[in-house]
Amino acid sequence: DSGVTQTPKHLITATGQRVTLRCSPRSGDLSVYWYQQSLDQGLQFLIQYYNGEERAKGNILERFSAQQFPDLHSELNLSSLELGDSALYFCASNDRADTQYFGPGTRLTVL
Amino acid sequence: GQQVMQIPQYQHVQEGEDFTTYCNSSTTLSNIQWYKQRPGGHPVFLIQLVKSGEVKKQKRLTFQFGEAKKNSSLHITATQTTDVGTYFCAGSNFGNEKLTFGTGTRLTIIP
Repeated sequence: DSGVTQTPKHLITATGQRVTLRCSPRSGDLSVYWYQQSLDQGLQFLIQYYNGEERAKGNILERFSAQQFPDLHSELNLSSLELGDSALYFCASNDRADTQYFGPGTRLTVL
Repeated sequence: GQQVMQIPQYQHVQEGEDFTTYCNSSTTLSNIQWYKQRPGGHPVFLIQLVKSGEVKKQKRLTFQFGEAKKNSSLHITATQTTDVGTYFCAGSNFGNEKLTFGTGTRLTIIP
């Protein structure tokens, strides 16, 4: 158990819909990173937040947005979903040595 | 932008054989990390290398960081079925916490 929690574990929805994925970092960690992992693919960095502020942006679509709240949990919002958005979505937090600790992931299936 | 490539993409070995995956970055890295993702699991941190030419060992695993800090390798001696999974390298640049993950090498073991 990495200490990073993600909900829900699985999500099945239809094209055009909107979903929210939730992540809580390890106790004491200020950063949250979001990654997308499509089937048999690597980890694509989406976005990073640090203590409530956006710190870095990767290949995140305009249909996707995220935020980090004062209690440091983060939400990733995916809208106008397409079939190609089906993937595993991981969040991670890092310690002072920049080691990343990954949550168990949310598996999103868009039908 | 920074790119991190890994080869091979897939590797099938007989149990007991050795295995090596190579990681190459398009830019000089401040450090490199290695992660292992078991089938159906999330990436788990293995090790971090910081110094040019650094070599670290963890039991049957040997990690190297190139002299130019642009490449790295992971070597597993006498593979076991528990070694099955995808191995990712991830690099970061100086002053940037964001990790760029490699494309991964999926290792399967033939008993």
